[in-house]
Amino acid sequence: DVKVTQSSRYLVKRTGEKVFLECVQDMDHENMFWYRQDPGLGLRLIYFSYDVKMKEKGDIPEGYSVSREKKERFSLILESASTNQTSMYLCASDAWATEAFFGQGTRLTVV
Amino acid sequence: AQSVSQHNHHVILSEAASLELGCNYSYGGTVNLFWYVQYPGQHLQLLLKYFSGDPLVKGIKGFEAEFIKSKFSFNLRKPSVQWSDTAEYFCAVSSNNAGNMLTFGGGTRLMVKP
Repeated sequence: DVKVTQSSRYLVKRTGEKVFLECVQDMDHENMFWYRQDPGLGLRLIYFSYDVKMKEKGDIPEGYSVSREKKERFSLILESASTNQTSMYLCASDAWATEAFFGQGTRLTVV
Repeated sequence: AQSVSQHNHHVILSEAASLELGCNYSYGGTVNLFWYVQYPGQHLQLLLKYFSGDPLVKGIKGFEAEFIKSKFSFNLRKPSVQWSDTAEYFCAVSSNNAGNMLTFGGGTRLMVKP
């Protein structure tokens, strides 16, 4: 029944490390998203991909990059982790005129 | 820039009170509209959605929302809230003018007092 899977529930990384967050969906959705969720700020879109190798910046792309080499997989990369990137990261997928399905989230702590 | 606004950040109600949470968006074109709920410690769940047709949509748990195109609004309502409705509520919009990008409002934290 699992539809969107994020590779880790909890991660602790050191400042300056390169961090990879992986997301896989099994619904053949065209669109995939990475959000971060912070108290009082809701869900803010980091990056969005509408097809393989295609990506669009969201509201807060600085400090992040993404990779979508296969339709089912969308990776979020923190090139050099910083403490202000400590957050809950949510991956989602959808197709036009369908609801979005979310992964369970990855709580990243950067120390 | 395209955006989604939720007017109330925190709402406190007593049980049996009526609820209305505001949501406005700034997109043009054809829009898909959603309300999601996140109960404490749980994942986001879909409450209801609007794609086309009847602008008054009914969702789970007695929630409904009305799409008013002229006001760019999609407000969430429930006639009588319960303690179990305590949660954070998010409005979300995707638009074919925005490349199908799904954007969320800032969320409304609802507390229902027993």
